[in-house]
Amino acid sequence: QVQLVESGGGLVKPGGSLRLSCAASGFTFSDYYMSWIRQAPGKGLEWVSYISSSGSTIYYADSVKGRFTISRDNAKNSLYLQMNSLRAEDTAVYYCARVSSWGEIEYFQHWGQGTLVTVSS
Amino acid sequence: DIQMTQSPSSLSASVGDRVTITCRASQSISSYLNWYQQKPGKAPKLLIYAASSLQSGVPSRFSGSGSGTDFTLTISSLQPEDFATYYCQQSYSTPPTFGPGTKVDIK
Repeated sequence: QVQLVESGGGLVKPGGSLRLSCAASGFTFSDYYMSWIRQAPGKGLEWVSYISSSGSTIYYADSVKGRFTISRDNAKNSLYLQMNSLRAEDTAVYYCARVSSWGEIEYFQHWGQGTLVTVSS
Repeated sequence: DIQMTQSPSSLSASVGDRVTITCRASQSISSYLNWYQQKPGKAPKLLIYAASSLQSGVPSRFSGSGSGTDFTLTISSLQPEDFATYYCQQSYSTPPTFGPGTKVDIK
């Protein structure tokens, strides 16, 4: 069965950096787009970033562009999110998600359990 | 960016009730609309994709309809395990955006 396990969250000071990881199993990782989605405490869902199956195509939300970098290692079945210049408003649970599609319609079919990032002094 | 709205923001219902949640997009998104269920402390779970296609393993009491700008998620007979928050999400254009959520709780 599909499993996505995030790690790397924690407490970091404003301006600091953190690298999140997502270990994938139960499917051919290199066949799928992957994404990071976050949820601030008590708030709704916010898409953060996409990466294509090969890593050649990447998109970011405007709120993180220039500060966050998504990457993947298909040999290690792993997805990453390097987060720099962190701000208090980046505090959230970060989920990795596998992107599937029905024709051109994409959806987040499988989600990890999430990892909490807290940005506070 | 495409803005998604949902109504109501919350509702109280009883087991066995028929529940309808509405999602509206700020522009036409054809059928590029997905629905997720989230329980407290848990990751979201995909229920419906492409407006009306039921994700494998999701009970048939869940259904989705609509196209263009107006969409509906219906739970035909609410069960105890359905008390949760429901989100719609458009994938018509990047960035994908989510609605603010509809919380369904026990009356």
